[in-house]
Amino acid sequence: DIQMTQSPSSLSASVGDRVTITCRASQTINNYLNWYQQKPGKAPSLLIYTVSTLASGVPSRFIGSGSGTDFTLTINNLQPEDFATYYCQHSFYTPYTFGQGTKLAIK
Amino acid sequence: QITLKESGPALVKPRQTLTLTCTLSGFSMSNNGMRVSWIRQSPGKALEWLARIDWDDDKFYTPALKTRLAVSQDKSKNQVFLTMTNVDPVDTGTYYCARASPYGDLDYWGQGTRVTVSS
Repeated sequence: DIQMTQSPSSLSASVGDRVTITCRASQTINNYLNWYQQKPGKAPSLLIYTVSTLASGVPSRFIGSGSGTDFTLTINNLQPEDFATYYCQHSFYTPYTFGQGTKLAIK
Repeated sequence: QITLKESGPALVKPRQTLTLTCTLSGFSMSNNGMRVSWIRQSPGKALEWLARIDWDDDKFYTPALKTRLAVSQDKSKNQVFLTMTNVDPVDTGTYYCARASPYGDLDYWGQGTRVTVSS
């Protein structure tokens, strides 16, 4: 199985800040890297697929980048609704493993 | 409008078999390229991908649970099923079904169904 390692596991920031979450795969995943946002008590929702393509309706302040085994989710100009938990996931081949999540909290 | 909705028992006893249903709307597993995955989340923990079933009945499982899981579908009812045998309290959590795009990303999710394994 491909292991996905996210860092940090948690971080705190203020409205208007810029934050970066990283995700590392245990082997190359040919850009089959996706990001999800999950709010408490809710199902996850797709943010970004294939490294950098925004899902429908996702604001442009969310930016995905990276290649090979190292990937980044950057959120510019944090908004109150962005405080949530974020997961990366590879979809190179099954099993499609997730990272352990990054909880973004308000400072 | 694409929706998925999970249903099943909220409480299951240890060693029993759990069967969950995912009812699809807005897309059909009879159409080429359609795929549905099952994902679970133990309380306070990360997401765990469990299995996938495709329109052509191909099936894929996470190796750690492969001997206990089975996915199936009823195309006439546009439903997908997840069966887990010999459940244990560690299987307690919220179970989601989600549509998988051709790239494997999960673009539509159900609301989830909470399952507790307890005697």
